Amino acid sequence: QSVLTQPPSVSGAPGQRVTISCTGNSSNLGAGYDVHWYQQLPGTPPKLLIYGNNNRPSGVPDRISGSKSGTSASLAISGLRAEDEADYYCQSYDSSLSAWVFGGGTKLTVL
Amino acid sequence: EVQVVESGGGLEQPGGSLRLSCAASGFTLGSYSMNWVRQAPGKGLEWVAYISTSRSTIKHADSVKGRFTISRDNAKNSLYLQMNSLRAEDTAVYYCARVMVRAVNNNYYYYMDVWGKGTTVTVSS
Repeated sequence: QSVLTQPPSVSGAPGQRVTISCTGNSSNLGAGYDVHWYQQLPGTPPKLLIYGNNNRPSGVPDRISGSKSGTSASLAISGLRAEDEADYYCQSYDSSLSAWVFGGGTKLTVL
Repeated sequence: EVQVVESGGGLEQPGGSLRLSCAASGFTLGSYSMNWVRQAPGKGLEWVAYISTSRSTIKHADSVKGRFTISRDNAKNSLYLQMNSLRAEDTAVYYCARVMVRAVNNNYYYYMDVWGKGTTVTVSS
């Protein structure tokens, strides 16, 4: 059971927009800790996608965005492409556990 | 090119020990805090351990506390994970990840921006 809760899977057709939710509690997202998102393509290490809730590293297209409010955060991907098919993880810090924490991951399928 | 490369994984029996290494290139490892993160086969990411630049802050996940120890040798630009009393549930790909600290509009963000390809640890008799 992950500290941060994500849906196991989401799907969308090419060109569509999908969102992936990440729900925490008062010890992590609700305590003001930021959320970061990572993309993991099959057989590869994770890659930073969004840092600090809604900031994109250089090279990440602006069709990818993030947001956070209270104990929840979300990742949005618009203009879906086949190459977006991957696992996505949210990550934050939990003060009660004194630990970096991840969501369980969401598998995005492009139909 | 900025990168980290893990090594030291392999097959070990339950109760055994392994020492993982992470070599940094393209940047000065001593200027960054570092994490170890693992991923069991078919499972999600799990944070394992954190060490600050000066070793003043060291944290381990409850699942490995008392068995694993993170350390660093800044002179060798290297990070380590000493793994003792290994269990079957420690079987995973172990990633070394650089912790970036970035200030944006007076907010400081701590995140992992450089990841290695990982080294595989298998614990089995």
